[in-house]
Amino acid sequence: DSGVTQTPKHLITATGQRVTLRCSPRSGDLSVYWYQQSLDQGLQFLIHYYNGEERAKGNILERFSAQQFPDLHSELNLSSLELGDSALYFCASSLAGANTGELFFGEGSRLTVL
Amino acid sequence: QKEVEQDPGPLSVPEGAIVSLNCTYSNSAFQYFMWYRQYSRKGPELLMYTYSSGNKEDGRFTAQVDKSSKYISLFIRDSQPSDSATYLCAMKRMDSSYKLIFGSGTRLLVRP
Repeated sequence: DSGVTQTPKHLITATGQRVTLRCSPRSGDLSVYWYQQSLDQGLQFLIHYYNGEERAKGNILERFSAQQFPDLHSELNLSSLELGDSALYFCASSLAGANTGELFFGEGSRLTVL
Repeated sequence: QKEVEQDPGPLSVPEGAIVSLNCTYSNSAFQYFMWYRQYSRKGPELLMYTYSSGNKEDGRFTAQVDKSSKYISLFIRDSQPSDSATYLCAMKRMDSSYKLIFGSGTRLLVRP
């Protein structure tokens, strides 16, 4: 168990809908990252938050947004969903200042868009 | 062209074999190199971390980085069925935040 909690584990929804994925980082970790994993693209970095502030953005679509709250949990909002958004969405956390590349991943939220 | 290339496999070996997993990359600015292991329906977990070129050993696992060739490897000795998983290489620049660039992963199956 990595200590990172993601909900929901599975989500099935229709095109055009909006969903929110939730992540609780490990106790003490200030950084939260969101990654998307699909069969053809592998793990793609979406966004990084540190202590409530956005620090880096990857290939995140404009239809997607995220935030990190004062209690350090984070939410990833996906709107106007398309079939191609079906994927595993991972949250990861790390210690502030950790430069070893050690991210602790949750078990992911599997999104299916029908 | 992807920044990090990794053969998706699957790679099937008998128990006890030496396994070699590899990644190539194109960005010479990468300085930190990692291997993550991902079991089915789980999140990736860090196996090995290496800074710049060289070798690093941890038990049955050895990570090698050859920056001149832009090539990294993970060797698994005395492979076990419990090693069956997808192995992802990852790397990052020194000046980046914590943005890791992942390979697409190699699926490994160790047959009893």
